[in-house]
Amino acid sequence: TQLLEQSPQFLSIQEGENLTVYCNSSSVFSSLQWYRQEPGEGPVLLVTVVTGGEVKKLKRLTFQFGDARKDSSLHITAAQPGDTGLYLCAGVKYFNKFYFGSGTKLNVKP
Amino acid sequence: GAGVSQSPRYKVAKRGQDVALRCDPISGHVSLFWYQQALGQGPEFLTYFQNEAQLDKSGLPSDRFFAERPEGSVSTLKIQRTQQEDSAVYLCASTLVRDRGNEQYFGPGTRLTVT
Repeated sequence: TQLLEQSPQFLSIQEGENLTVYCNSSSVFSSLQWYRQEPGEGPVLLVTVVTGGEVKKLKRLTFQFGDARKDSSLHITAAQPGDTGLYLCAGVKYFNKFYFGSGTKLNVKP
Repeated sequence: GAGVSQSPRYKVAKRGQDVALRCDPISGHVSLFWYQQALGQGPEFLTYFQNEAQLDKSGLPSDRFFAERPEGSVSTLKIQRTQQEDSAVYLCASTLVRDRGNEQYFGPGTRLTVT
């Protein structure tokens, strides 16, 4: 049973469109991380959010941690083909217990 | 410096064989994690080491799975009497310190196929 549910599972959009990926749980986490994974590689950390309500921006990516620290969203503005990949959220408990969502597979078409 | 490396990158085993998967973490990293990633899914936690101590092995799916990190650096995940359901990518990750904002550095994984 996945502790974190991600939606949508798959997303195929045109270059230049905006998109939002959601990561939801009924559990509270001490922090929430977002990773991107490309085929044949391990996940690479994009951001860590720690405080409820926190918003972090990384160029065209905006990450938000829910007020209750149970959910998070990733918004990409003007998506580019280089954004293609598997996006994973991971909730952190007890400092060293990481629970990954099932991932959102994003394909950005030129 | 070098990142996390894993070997072999690909392993094909016949059902019933034993396999050993190796992880070389980033030098000086205290914590080491093993994950199992099935096709189309997110990684699932298997076990966690802090230096040489295995502090959490709650994710190991059966007693056929065994992990060690005897000197607090290189780690080996061993699977005995492999089964088809063991087919997956096995990822290793390391972190520098014990902190709630830990950045995990992942290796490229070992893809295990059990035939």
